[in-house]
Amino acid sequence: ILNVEQSPQSLHVQEGDSTNFTCSFPSSNFYALHWYRWETAKSPEALFVMTLNGDEKKKGRISATLNTKEGYSYLYIKGSQPEDSATYLCASGATNKLIFGTGTLLAVQP
Amino acid sequence: DVKVTQSSRYLVKRTGEKVFLECVQDMDHENMFWYRQDPGLGLRLIYFSYDVKMKEKGDIPEGYSVSREKKERFSLILESASTNQTSMYLCASSQLVGQYNSPLHFGNGTRLTVT
Repeated sequence: ILNVEQSPQSLHVQEGDSTNFTCSFPSSNFYALHWYRWETAKSPEALFVMTLNGDEKKKGRISATLNTKEGYSYLYIKGSQPEDSATYLCASGATNKLIFGTGTLLAVQP
Repeated sequence: DVKVTQSSRYLVKRTGEKVFLECVQDMDHENMFWYRQDPGLGLRLIYFSYDVKMKEKGDIPEGYSVSREKKERFSLILESASTNQTSMYLCASSQLVGQYNSPLHFGNGTRLTVT
């Protein structure tokens, strides 16, 4: 079974700070890398799905990069806002499985 | 927007009861999934389905079964609920375009407590 690891486990930043998290995954049999945002009392919401080495995707102040050869993805948030507070999940797909990491809990203080 | 609806937000059941968790999606997605989420663990796949009447075991199928009689509905069944099945259950759907190339669309979750 794949092991997908996310770091840090949790992060507290001030409003306006930029921040980033890491998702590590086994690089063999790689298929796709997903990022989700999960706010309290809501459903996880897809941010990005990336498949190619070197992929970079952006959605507003949030962006992500993918390195499939070394098995990691970074998620960046520029100028964090309180509404960015959530758990950020990554998931790596290989063959027929999508394996989730345990998430990074982000708290943005106003 | 895709809507995935889970029938209950909170559920309390007794040990040994048969429990049904229902999930409906409105976007004609082929794939449907049931996950559970426990503290300190990532979302773990219980069962999934690529088509009507089709089901595949995920990583932790023991103690569960599923039913997919219609494309839009995927039910998770706990045959005889046990306390270790107390968890948050999430249903998701996705298009079949390259199985994991398309994002999952999740329901709001059902928090099940088995006493």
